[in-house]
Amino acid sequence: QVQLVESGGGVVQPGRSLKLSCAASGFTFSYYAIHWVRQSPGKGLEWVAVISYDGVHEYYADSMKGRFTISRDNSKNSVYLQMSSLRPEDTAMYYCAREGGEAFMVAPLDYWGQGTLVTVSS
Amino acid sequence: DIQMTQSPSSLSASVGDRVTITCRASQGISNSLAWYQQKPGKAPKLLIYTASRLESGVPSRFSGSGSGTDYTLTISSLQPEDSATYYCQQYYTTQHYCCSPWTFGQGTKVEIK
Repeated sequence: QVQLVESGGGVVQPGRSLKLSCAASGFTFSYYAIHWVRQSPGKGLEWVAVISYDGVHEYYADSMKGRFTISRDNSKNSVYLQMSSLRPEDTAMYYCAREGGEAFMVAPLDYWGQGTLVTVSS
Repeated sequence: DIQMTQSPSSLSASVGDRVTITCRASQGISNSLAWYQQKPGKAPKLLIYTASRLESGVPSRFSGSGSGTDYTLTISSLQPEDSATYYCQQYYTTQHYCCSPWTFGQGTKVEIK
């Protein structure tokens, strides 16, 4: 069955960096784009970034551009989110999710991980 | 960026009631609209895609409709397990991986009376 498992969250001081990982299984990973979506405590969902199935294309929400970098290693069935210059407002549960269409087909997010919590605090 | 305005922000209804949630996009999104259900402490779950297509395994009491800028999620007969927060999301793009970020509505919390 399709599984996405995030890791790497924790408590980090403002201005520091953190790298999240998303390990996938149960499907042909290299066929699918992967997204990161976050949710601040008690708040709604906020789209963060996407990386294409082949890793060639990336796209970020405006508030993350220049601070966050998404990458993937198809040989390891993994996607990463490198976060730098972290701010208290980046405190959130970070989910990775699979975009349901193969290759360049645009589709919604059909499978989600359980999330990893990032807390930015001094 | 395309803004999604979802209403109401919360509602309370009885088991068996018909429940409707609406989502309005700031521009036409050509039915590139999904609905998700999120229960406390859990990841969102895809319910509806392309505005009206039911995801596999989702009960048929859930349905979606709409076009252009206005979309609706309907629960035909509310069940206790439907207590959750529901989000719409647009994934409209003229060029994938560019130019228009995906956006979610603010969410609608559905409670059972």
